[in-house]
Amino acid sequence: EDQVTQSPEALRLQEGESSSLNCSYTVSGLRGLFWYRQDPGKGPEFLFTLYSAGEEKEKERLKATLTKKESFLHITAPKPEDSATYLCAVRNYYGGSQGNLIFGKGTKLSVKP
Amino acid sequence: DAGVTQSPTHLIKTRGQQVTLRCSPKSGHDTVSWYQQALGQGPQFIFQYYEEEERQRGNFPDRFSGHQFPNYSSELNVNALLLGDSALYLCASSQHLAGTTETQYFGPGTRLLVL
Repeated sequence: EDQVTQSPEALRLQEGESSSLNCSYTVSGLRGLFWYRQDPGKGPEFLFTLYSAGEEKEKERLKATLTKKESFLHITAPKPEDSATYLCAVRNYYGGSQGNLIFGKGTKLSVKP
Repeated sequence: DAGVTQSPTHLIKTRGQQVTLRCSPKSGHDTVSWYQQALGQGPQFIFQYYEEEERQRGNFPDRFSGHQFPNYSSELNVNALLLGDSALYLCASSQHLAGTTETQYFGPGTRLLVL
């Protein structure tokens, strides 16, 4: 069964304190790993798509990396506005290019000034 | 460029009632997927519509049904509401392009409370 596990469930950082969020996955043929940011009561906001092991993508203070078993979301020198829940999702081979996403429960990040 | 829109933003219903949620996809998108997100959980896939047909379905009962219109907008219908149906309902749209893996863009969601 396809599965996504995110850790930690919650993370508290001081402003400027860099850290990483983990997403471990088991999937029948990876057809994309997706990172989203979700603010309370709102819909997920797309951040990155990774397709193959070794791939990396960056956006401002965020950098996503991918291996064959997990993905990391690295946050460098975070600011309070980075506080949100970060969701990881995978799409499996059998779903095709439009297949549904399988989400983890998310990591709730709080950045204190 | 308008993103994904959903209506209503909030809804309160009573057990046993029926509800209809609406979604307009991002401009240029032709595929709509619906997800249910319980509090503290990740979104769970309900079903997906493309070319006005249900293409994929997650592990949800037949009480959950949908429709897609010629203008690509979509509705999610839930019959015989249960307390456990209380959740944030998310619509995601994407563009169907052969040979590519498309990103899904989410709307703001509809918060449904069943009393």
